[in-house]
Amino acid sequence: DAKTTQPPSMDCAEGRAANLPCNHSTISGNEYVYWYRQIHSQGPQYIIHGLKNNETNEMASLIITEDRKSSTLILPHATLRDTAVYYCIVRVERGGANNLFFGTGTRLTVIP
Amino acid sequence: GAVVSQHPSWVICKSGTSVKIECRSLDFQATTMFWYRQFPKQSLMLMATSNEGSKATYEQGVEKDKFLINHASLTLSTLTVTSAHPEDSSFYICSARDRIGELFFGEGSRLTVL
Repeated sequence: DAKTTQPPSMDCAEGRAANLPCNHSTISGNEYVYWYRQIHSQGPQYIIHGLKNNETNEMASLIITEDRKSSTLILPHATLRDTAVYYCIVRVERGGANNLFFGTGTRLTVIP
Repeated sequence: GAVVSQHPSWVICKSGTSVKIECRSLDFQATTMFWYRQFPKQSLMLMATSNEGSKATYEQGVEKDKFLINHASLTLSTLTVTSAHPEDSSFYICSARDRIGELFFGEGSRLTVL
């Protein structure tokens, strides 16, 4: 699985949109971009994933550049409970390498 | 959605004792389960991959005789930390892979060895 690069930390004001970038310049054509987050002392929580089209669900939106070398996770209205470490991971969907490689992630702090 | 449960969620033990952590897939059959370890302010590191009915595959640097993994059924994998020492204190997380390849994570188990 390709590796990813994320900023180590970000702050966001409560109620504002949080935009978390991720670079994955070595992504392969059949690899998806997955986002997970980990709130302190809990297991990782799945957020969203996509291949090349932008995706949206009840938690977030995922914007993938046309060349697929980078993506942005958007939390439209950040709340204090969104404070967590966010991991961007690329992998073959539902197959390929079995485990997920977790990089260092981005520690998002939502400020009141 | 699918649920993976770990038990206990936290445990404190004395140095030299063994501790067992369970990982259960509650509403699906997990062909493969993974065990991760996470030290404070660090990312998750894969320890081993366990397939039901076969021996676990350990990552480089992980002692298989110290971290015993059993995956006797499609819904249960156990990790036993044998002769635990303070340096084994960590957050242990399991994930389970269902038949179509989706991965689901447990809530984690925090081990503190005194």
